[in-house]
Amino acid sequence: AQKVTQAQTEISVVEKEDVTLDCVYETRDTTYYLFWYKQPPSGELVFLIRRNSFDEQNEISGRYSWNFQKSTSSFNFTITASQVVDSAVYFCALSEAFIPGTASKLTFGTGTRLQVTL
Amino acid sequence: DGGITQSPKYLFRKEGQNVTLSCEQNLNHDAMYWYRQDPGQGLRLIYYSQIVNDFQKGDIAEGYSVSREKKESFPLTVTSAQKNPTAFYLCASSISRGPPYEQYFGPGTRLTVT
Repeated sequence: AQKVTQAQTEISVVEKEDVTLDCVYETRDTTYYLFWYKQPPSGELVFLIRRNSFDEQNEISGRYSWNFQKSTSSFNFTITASQVVDSAVYFCALSEAFIPGTASKLTFGTGTRLQVTL
Repeated sequence: DGGITQSPKYLFRKEGQNVTLSCEQNLNHDAMYWYRQDPGQGLRLIYYSQIVNDFQKGDIAEGYSVSREKKESFPLTVTSAQKNPTAFYLCASSISRGPPYEQYFGPGTRLTVT
């Protein structure tokens, strides 16, 4: 069975600090996809990134960066110079093995609530 | 403007009543999903549909039912058999051809049953 663990329930930082959100996953599949989503107070989940298991390159998008390490089954998310608008719950998710022609189910972690204050 | 709409945003029902949550998308996605979110928990999959007139149970389907008569629409009925229906319900859609693509989510419906 697949599992995603986000051990940090809640993190509080002061604006401009860097913060890393941890994500550890378990799967027996050799091919899989990982995702990060942001859930602001409005409730709607916003897609941030999708990464497949064959691509271990780190990715940077503005103040966001992701570190994928297959050896430790981790896909951590770092926000550089955090801002108040980054306050949200962040979810890491893992797709099950891909079967052509079928919808892909996601397994979500329990989320990390990030609070950024002035 | 493409996206997913869910209505209503807040819904109140008395125990013992069935209630239907609406989900519509104009993204031309084949796959649609329903999730339930409880405080402090991640999202749990209720039902999903990869194509019109087809749907599959997710991890917590008991007490729920769905239909998929149109590509754009995937309504969820919370029946009186669902023991703890009060929760935040999220609908999502995605491309289903090819490798797993990201799912796009609607704004959610917060259901309170008393």
